[in-house]
Formats: sequence, C-alpha cells, structure tokens
Amino acid sequence: GDSVTQMEGPVTLSEEAFLTINCTYTATGYPSLFWYVQYPGEGLQLLLKATKADDKGSNKGFEATYRKETTSFHLEKGSVQVSDSAVYFCAFNAGGTSYGKLTFGQGTILTVHP
Amino acid sequence: DSGVTQTPKHLITATGQRVTLRCSPRSGDLSVYWYQQSLDQGLQFLIHYYNGEERAKGNILERFSAQQFPDLHSELNLSSLELGDSALYFCASSGRVGHEQFFGPGTRLTVL
Repeated sequence: GDSVTQMEGPVTLSEEAFLTINCTYTATGYPSLFWYVQYPGEGLQLLLKATKADDKGSNKGFEATYRKETTSFHLEKGSVQVSDSAVYFCAFNAGGTSYGKLTFGQGTILTVHP
Repeated sequence: DSGVTQTPKHLITATGQRVTLRCSPRSGDLSVYWYQQSLDQGLQFLIHYYNGEERAKGNILERFSAQQFPDLHSELNLSSLELGDSALYFCASSGRVGHEQFFGPGTRLTVL
C-alpha cells in the first residue's frame, strides 16, 4: 500500500551545518510530493512541494527534488539555523481513488544548537 | 496563520463521552480534511469532504463521524470516547483536490 519512509531521528546539528532528511515513498500513479514542518505547539505548515518528476521545490533555503526513478524526495538545507528546530514531515498525495488524502511519514525531529 | 481555524484548542473529557470538534476552512476552499496525530500512529487521514459531500474515508472509527455544512465549516464528532482517542486532531483545507493542504492549529483531545 501507499507509504512514506523518512529518515529516523532525532537529528541534532550545530548552527550553519548542512541538513539532509531522507524521504522515500511507495505510491501508485504520479503523486504530488510535499514537505511540511511543525514547530513546537503549532499545526503543520507547508514548507515546499513538487508535482512532477524532476521538479525542485524550494522555500526558506530548503530544497527537495522529485526523483521518480528512486521514488525519493530528500529535504536539504545548506546552513541550518536554531529557528529551524522543528519536526519535518514528508507527505504525498497519490490522487486517483485516494482523492486528496495526504499520506505522511513518521516525522523527523530536528534540533539545531547554537 | 494558515487561515484555517479550529475550536476548541483543548478538550478534556471522560471515557464514554461525546465531543464535537469544529473547523472553518480558508475562505473559498471547498475541501476539508480531518487528520489524527498520535504518538503511536503518527499522522493519519480520517476523512475528506468536498462542498458538503463525503469524498474519501481513511482509518476512521465507526464511533467517529463528520459532516460539512452549507457554509463549508466542518464538524468531527467523536463518541463513546476511549483513552486511546487522546490525540491531536487537525483539520486542513484546500482549494483544489490534490493540491497543497493548509492546516489549522489543531484540537488537543485528552480522554481521562
């Protein structure tokens, strides 16, 4: 069935370090891919998206490229800040009979130290 | 601020009780989605409504039901509550099915 596998956390980095959070998915058809971020005590915010193969989503210094051949959508940022500390969720919408449902990964906790 | 509002923010109740969670979507969005976030199950899709009609169901228990009203707000009804129903319940809305969803701040339900 449809699923998302995310890199297990927690991930702890120093400020200005490079970040990668791996995400692979299993889905039928041609899903749209998303990264959401959840700051402590808040709801989910859309961070970036990609809707077709080779698309690169980007926002606030974060990037992710839709790789259909490897069914992956890894999140990267060149220089993290303390304010990036949050939980990051990879998700997809498979369309078709799933009709709008988002399937989420388990989330990766990121902590950035000064 | 996503433009999606949810009330109440917190809800504490006892086992066996019934509660109603309310969601107002972003202005103009016809789709409303409900999700449950718990430590053991993660984020799980419950149900999707589009312009008043149910469009998809996920892992929603029979004790749970939802509806979307003509003004597009939605309510999630949880009955015969059990300890395991304690979770964060999120509502999301989107303008077009399959496009990005915008999430509300959530309702934290605690069942004692």
